[in-house]
Amino acid sequence: GAVVSQHPSWVICKSGTSVKIECRSLDFQATTMFWYRQFPKQSLMLMATSNEGSKATYEQGVEKDKFLINHASLTLSTLTVTSAHPEDSSFYICSAGPPSGGLTDTQYFGPGTRLTVL
Amino acid sequence: AQTVTQSQPEMSVQEAETVTLSCTYDTSESDYYLFWYKQPPSRQMILVIRQEAYKQQNATENRFSVNFQKAAKSFSLKISDSQLGDAAMYFCAYGGNKLVFGAGTILRVKS
Repeated sequence: GAVVSQHPSWVICKSGTSVKIECRSLDFQATTMFWYRQFPKQSLMLMATSNEGSKATYEQGVEKDKFLINHASLTLSTLTVTSAHPEDSSFYICSAGPPSGGLTDTQYFGPGTRLTVL
Repeated sequence: AQTVTQSQPEMSVQEAETVTLSCTYDTSESDYYLFWYKQPPSRQMILVIRQEAYKQQNATENRFSVNFQKAAKSFSLKISDSQLGDAAMYFCAYGGNKLVFGAGTILRVKS
């Protein structure tokens, strides 16, 4: 149980284009999902908290107009990197949880999406 | 704001031996959760163990156990009978309404 998927797993795009990453909770409903960014050999940096049916809450320093988050249903959140540039290249990870009846405050992570901007 | 410190960038352990990874944190809250997550080369984050701060008993999951010292704000992870599959980056995390991660410790397992 508590499986989270991400799509795509790897995307390469040209500078100036937009890229959408999907995060789905496959076997539970997630009122809250989280988006992280991770550079090689570094820790996870929380970008934003996504709440179903409301606006996302962004961490300080994260550009909300560049990283658009939509949490349209209890099983799907999307992150759109708009007008991507090479410095946006990174590993993006989503998490969700906890599932109803699950461990309080425990997040379950997707497998991540590697974004390369040329 | 809460902070999490992992002072060991890298650790090595011989297969079948025991290793302890250190973690300290800072918070003014009294009720919170602490986690250890494992990130293997696949980069999939895997929950290893979870501790509720109001519980004095240390959490245990098979070969993994923690030493939780609330007053000292210390939360170390002990891996017994280390296996090659334990090789990964290990992150300590503080949980409230969102997770705060430490910098991580790379664990290498020697055969």
